[in-house]
Amino acid sequence: EAGVAQSPRYKIIEKRQSVAFWCNPISGHATLYWYQQILGQGPKLLIQFQNNGVVDDSQLPKDRFSAERLKGVDSTLKIQPAKLEDSAVYLCASTPRGTGGSPLHFGNGTRLTVT
Amino acid sequence: AQKITQTQPGMFVQEKEAVTLDCTYDTSDQSYGLFWYKQPSSGEMIFLIYQGSYDEQNATEGRYSLNFQKARKSANLVISASQLGDSAMYFCAMRELSSGAGSYQLTFGKGTKLSVIP
Repeated sequence: EAGVAQSPRYKIIEKRQSVAFWCNPISGHATLYWYQQILGQGPKLLIQFQNNGVVDDSQLPKDRFSAERLKGVDSTLKIQPAKLEDSAVYLCASTPRGTGGSPLHFGNGTRLTVT
Repeated sequence: AQKITQTQPGMFVQEKEAVTLDCTYDTSDQSYGLFWYKQPSSGEMIFLIYQGSYDEQNATEGRYSLNFQKARKSANLVISASQLGDSAMYFCAMRELSSGAGSYQLTFGKGTKLSVIP
């Protein structure tokens, strides 16, 4: 089974620029998550999708962050404009729907550096 | 309030020895789940072990076991016979029910950096 695919692997941008990350979850996984992991901290949930609907975006800074999951498969996360404090690893994860004991399967992440 | 607390920023263990990584959690739910993940320097999050709140026995997966003390709200990870490859960040996470029906999310602690000494 192919894992969660994310691209790009690394991205360096200047502040106030925009950036987009892409994620393709494991086939058949209805639930998709975007997490932000700042250096030295645990991952923090940004947004959760169930199929193509948003389940939880309460911690997404909506003035600059947006995400979509068209057709309930792959997803994009966008930051516009970026700030220095957005430097982090952005992790995408997926899991089958309604399976509380199933772990989240994570991609390798996109490491964003904002200068 | 923090839902997952990992009080050990860093731990050292001698190769082949056992080590315990601490995790306490806070929830008022009766049904919840606890996970441990390993994150090597390469960055990927690797699932290690899961314990459900109604599971009567402590979970075990190979060299990993979870010391689950429900009354104390602790879910410590025990790694036996440490290997050099165990050097990594370790995160404890709690499953919570999302606002959407039948959907879950994980809340993570800050992690413990484990270093295995030859």
